[in-house]
Amino acid sequence: EIALTQSPGTLSLSPGERATLSCRASQSVSGSSLAWYQQKPGQAPRLLIYGASSRATGIPDRFSGSGSGTDFTLTISRLEPEDVAVYYCQQYGQQYGGSPRTFGQGTKVEIK
Amino acid sequence: QVQLVQSGAEVKEPGSSVKVSCKASGGSFMNYAFNWVRQAPGQGLEWMGGIIPIFGTPNYAQKFQGRVTITAGEFTNTAYMDLSSLRSADSATYFCAKVAVAGTYYGAFDVWGQGTVVTVSS
Repeated sequence: EIALTQSPGTLSLSPGERATLSCRASQSVSGSSLAWYQQKPGQAPRLLIYGASSRATGIPDRFSGSGSGTDFTLTISRLEPEDVAVYYCQQYGQQYGGSPRTFGQGTKVEIK
Repeated sequence: QVQLVQSGAEVKEPGSSVKVSCKASGGSFMNYAFNWVRQAPGQGLEWMGGIIPIFGTPNYAQKFQGRVTITAGEFTNTAYMDLSSLRSADSATYFCAKVAVAGTYYGAFDVWGQGTVVTVSS
């Protein structure tokens, strides 16, 4: 089973700053099958990025994803107050021996 | 665009079972994978399993094998998650979520239900 480790645990930035969130996998993620979700308090998660770098429908272009293999990054180019949330990465590729769709533990983004 | 509406909050006693429903409207149901993800209070997301209704055979996380049953009703466009032998650690919000790509379990979750709070307490 692939484990995902996100860092940092919490990111505190000012509006307009660049946010860089990391997701590291314990083994290579097949086919760049990695997604990023945003979850605001009391809400369901929302898909931001799939296939490591493709933005989901309606997602602002200040959100971008990159990476392959075991190292992935979500970047928010200019942080806005509405971006305050917890961000999760998820791998969804098919693996030998079973394919749990594991999530990282989350990165909380705060506004200073 | 598909919308997913889940059943309401539940309070259950330890050792009992809970069944949560997830009704899909506004799009195709049978060809897409519907998954269940839970979130304990203040914690992260945990995938439990999923089903593609047209195939009928569910796919479970090893942790929940033997305790969870995921089914889908063809004529009701509804997916169900049944969790048995409940304990306090099962107190969580349970979400259903649809995979973006038809015919496969292996895709990102593009549509989510609103969540169902399950509380296990004596």
